[in-house]
Amino acid sequence: QKEVEQNSGPLSVPEGAIASLNCTYSDRVSQSFFWYRQYSGKSPELIMSIYSNGDKEDGRFTAQLNKASQYVSLLIRDSQPSDSATYLCAVNTGANNLFFGTGTRLTVIP
Amino acid sequence: DAGVIQSPRHEVTEMGQEVTLRCKPISGHDYLFWYRQTMMRGLELLIYFNNNVPIDDSGMPEDRFSAKMPNASFSTLKIQPSEPRDSAVYFCASSLSSVLGEQYFGPGTRLTVT
Repeated sequence: QKEVEQNSGPLSVPEGAIASLNCTYSDRVSQSFFWYRQYSGKSPELIMSIYSNGDKEDGRFTAQLNKASQYVSLLIRDSQPSDSATYLCAVNTGANNLFFGTGTRLTVIP
Repeated sequence: DAGVIQSPRHEVTEMGQEVTLRCKPISGHDYLFWYRQTMMRGLELLIYFNNNVPIDDSGMPEDRFSAKMPNASFSTLKIQPSEPRDSAVYFCASSLSSVLGEQYFGPGTRLTVT
């Protein structure tokens, strides 16, 4: 089992819709969770971090964490074509190792 | 701030040659990370440094890979000898925080080994 798993997609949503990206992890004692955005041919860029159960909102982005179920999600409201990218989930495990998922490719259709 | 700087941006070399990738972290950042990204394996952490000292190199694939950080503003990742399976994009990232996930990535070096 991989430490971090994501649906590779592609996920397509119409402009203005809510995009929902999901990530599961295997290490139950993981403490820190991150979402990175990576445009094609570019480097990853940190967009959200979350450390405690519940929701964390930043503009159009909401990260959700459920440690009991070992999943973390990212919601993008009012999706824009500029949101089209690959979204990487990263988890800092209990052993203080950082693992990235393989990413979910999101396409927002104008 | 100039951000994390990597050189070269592209490298094409023949199998068996030595390859050296370079990184300058953001000034003041005390953590530096080297990653490799491929379509098959995604983004993999190879090694990271804190205050120029290697902390965890468990991700380094084999002895052909080595990394150094002689000072706070410079790091190298060397592959000797290179093999076609080393072809990938290599990213350097730096961080102010001891929380491993909050990092700033450089633009990457695209390595092709023929």
